[in-house]
Amino acid sequence: GDSVTQMEGPVTLSEEAFLTINCTYTATGYPSLFWYVQYPGEGLQLLLKATKADDKGSNKGFEATYRKETTSFHLEKGSVQVSDSAVYFCALMEYGNKLVFGAGTILRVKS
Amino acid sequence: DTGVSQDPRHKITKRGQNVTFRCDPISEHNRLYWYRQTLGQGPEFLTYFQNEAQLEKSRLLSDRFSAERPKGSFSTLEIQRTEQGDSAMYLCASSPRDRTTNYGYTFGSGTRLTVV
Repeated sequence: GDSVTQMEGPVTLSEEAFLTINCTYTATGYPSLFWYVQYPGEGLQLLLKATKADDKGSNKGFEATYRKETTSFHLEKGSVQVSDSAVYFCALMEYGNKLVFGAGTILRVKS
Repeated sequence: DTGVSQDPRHKITKRGQNVTFRCDPISEHNRLYWYRQTLGQGPEFLTYFQNEAQLEKSRLLSDRFSAERPKGSFSTLEIQRTEQGDSAMYLCASSPRDRTTNYGYTFGSGTRLTVV
């Protein structure tokens, strides 16, 4: 079945450092891909998405490119802030219904 | 519209008791989903509704679990004879049918269940 694999955390960075969180997926067809973020004590929020190969999703300085050839959707940000500390989830969706999530990656940004 | 609402936010119950959670989706969304999230893991799909019809249930949803969406609006998730392994965050989400693939879901803040 469909699955998502994320790099294990926690990832600890200093403020203004470059961020990469790796995400790869397994799917039978051509899924839509998502990154969700969960801040402490809050629910999941959609961060960005891409619906087809080579699409780039972006929001709040974060970017991810849908790479069909490597089945990847890595999350990047050029300069992280303390306020970016959260748990980040990569997810896929096929056929318009279920989201399948990775295990999540904890990001800690130190000032 | 204030988004997806879940009630209660926290629930502590003794093993063997029944619990019921409520979810109010975004009003124009006809799809409603339930997920379970345990510590250190991503959310896992439990079930989903399109309007009042329950279209899919995960194998995770044992016979102690039942979900309803009687009028296609709010939904309830009931767990009977709770076990310690049921301790988790229960997440509800909603989406508009025609745009789910492009827009994903809107999640509520969840109900945290602790079974003691």
